[in-house]
Amino acid sequence: DVKVTQSSRYLVKRTGEKVFLECVQDMDHENMFWYRQDPGLGLRLIYFSYDVKMKEKGDIPEGYSVSREKKERFSLILESASTNQTSMYLCASRRTGMGGEKLFFGSGTQLSVL
Amino acid sequence: QKEVEQNSGPLSVPEGAIASLNCTYSDRGSQSFFWYRQYSGKSPELIMSIYSNGDKEDGRFTAQLNKASQYVSLLIRDSQPSDSATYLCAVRSGGSQGNLIFGKGTKLSVKP
Repeated sequence: DVKVTQSSRYLVKRTGEKVFLECVQDMDHENMFWYRQDPGLGLRLIYFSYDVKMKEKGDIPEGYSVSREKKERFSLILESASTNQTSMYLCASRRTGMGGEKLFFGSGTQLSVL
Repeated sequence: QKEVEQNSGPLSVPEGAIASLNCTYSDRGSQSFFWYRQYSGKSPELIMSIYSNGDKEDGRFTAQLNKASQYVSLLIRDSQPSDSATYLCAVRSGGSQGNLIFGKGTKLSVKP
C-alpha cells in the first residue's frame, strides 16, 4: 500500500524559528497536500501541489510556504514560527484514476511553538 | 464559502446497534463524497466513497447520497467498540481537480 512518511512525529520549536516539515510518498502520486488539524476546527488545507514545481494556496496559507522540487517530496515551511501555528500537521498524497480516488495521509507531526 | 457540516457528537450507541452519521454540504455542484475514519491519535483513512444518488454498501458500512437534499450519510450496522472513532465527511467540489472540503467530524462511541 501507499506509504506517506512525515519526517517527525513531534517537534518543539521557539517563536521566530524557521521550521521545515518534510513529507515523502512512494507511489508516484502527482497530487500532494498539507493540512493542519486543530480541535473544533477540523482539517484545513494549507497548500497543495498537483505536480513538481507547482504549488497552490489552500484555505489558510498565511505564514506558510511550500516546496516541491521532486515528485515524491513535498515540504512545508514555517518562515517564522508563531504560537498560533502550534498544531497537528498532516501531509497527504492523492491517488486518482484506477482504484478510485483516495487520500493517503502521513502519521502527522505535532508541532509545538513556544 | 463552500461548507460541509456534521454534528460533532459525541454519538453514543450500544454494541450491535446501527450508528447513523450525517453530513450536509453547501455546493450543489459537488460530485464526489467520502467518509474517512480517524482513530484517536491516528491519521484519517478512507472507508467509503460515493458518487451517485442512492446507497452503496461495503460490509457493515452503507453510504447514502441524496444530491437534491445535499445530504450524505454513513450507516454502520452491528456497531463494534472498534468502530469508536471520529468520522470525517469530505466533499470534492470544483470538478476533477477540486480539493476535498472536510467536515469537522462526528465522534462515535460504541459502548460494550
